[in-house]
Amino acid sequence: DIQMTQSPSSVSASVGDRVTITCRASQTINIYLNWYQQKSGKAPKLLISATSSLQSGVPSRFSASGSGTDFSLTIDTLQVEDFATYYCQQTSLAPWTFGQGTKVEV
Amino acid sequence: QMQLQESGPGLVKTSETLSLTCTVSGASISSYYWSWIRQSPGKGLEWLAYIYGRRSINYNPSLKSRLTISLDTSKNQVSLNLTSVSPADTAMYYCARTYSGASSGFAFDIWGQGTMVTVSS
Repeated sequence: DIQMTQSPSSVSASVGDRVTITCRASQTINIYLNWYQQKSGKAPKLLISATSSLQSGVPSRFSASGSGTDFSLTIDTLQVEDFATYYCQQTSLAPWTFGQGTKVEV
Repeated sequence: QMQLQESGPGLVKTSETLSLTCTVSGASISSYYWSWIRQSPGKGLEWLAYIYGRRSINYNPSLKSRLTISLDTSKNQVSLNLTSVSPADTAMYYCARTYSGASSGFAFDIWGQGTMVTVSS
């Protein structure tokens, strides 16, 4: 299985901050990397697919990049509603696997 | 607007079979890929299986021997059976529409709210 490792596991931030989360795959996954946001008690929400494609309705302060094995998600000008846990996921090779999550907290 | 609603027993006894259903509204299930994903505190998010039509099925190898995913087009439902459950199968179970793009791979773009399953003796 492809292992997905996120860092950091948690990050303390304030409204207005810029936050970057990284995700590393144990082998190359081309561009098949998705990012999800999960708020407490809710299902995950797809933010970005195929490394950098922002889903409809997702604010432009979210951006992502990467290729091969190293990827990142950046939140510019953090808003109150962005405090959540973020997961990366690879769909390059089954079984599709997720990172362990990064909690963005105050 | 497509909506997904999972349903399940809530509590299952060890060694029994867990049966879950995802009822889809707003679209025909025949037109999309569908996945089941679970989330437990100990293991995070885990993809279990996907299905497209009746011939394209893929299971997580770690659970393949115990999983069966299926479609009921007459009811517009996606089902998942997990046999011989143990407390390690305690989790929130989600179904999700699985977007498939030729150059973008797969992604879970619409999720249900999830159904919590506890396995206990």
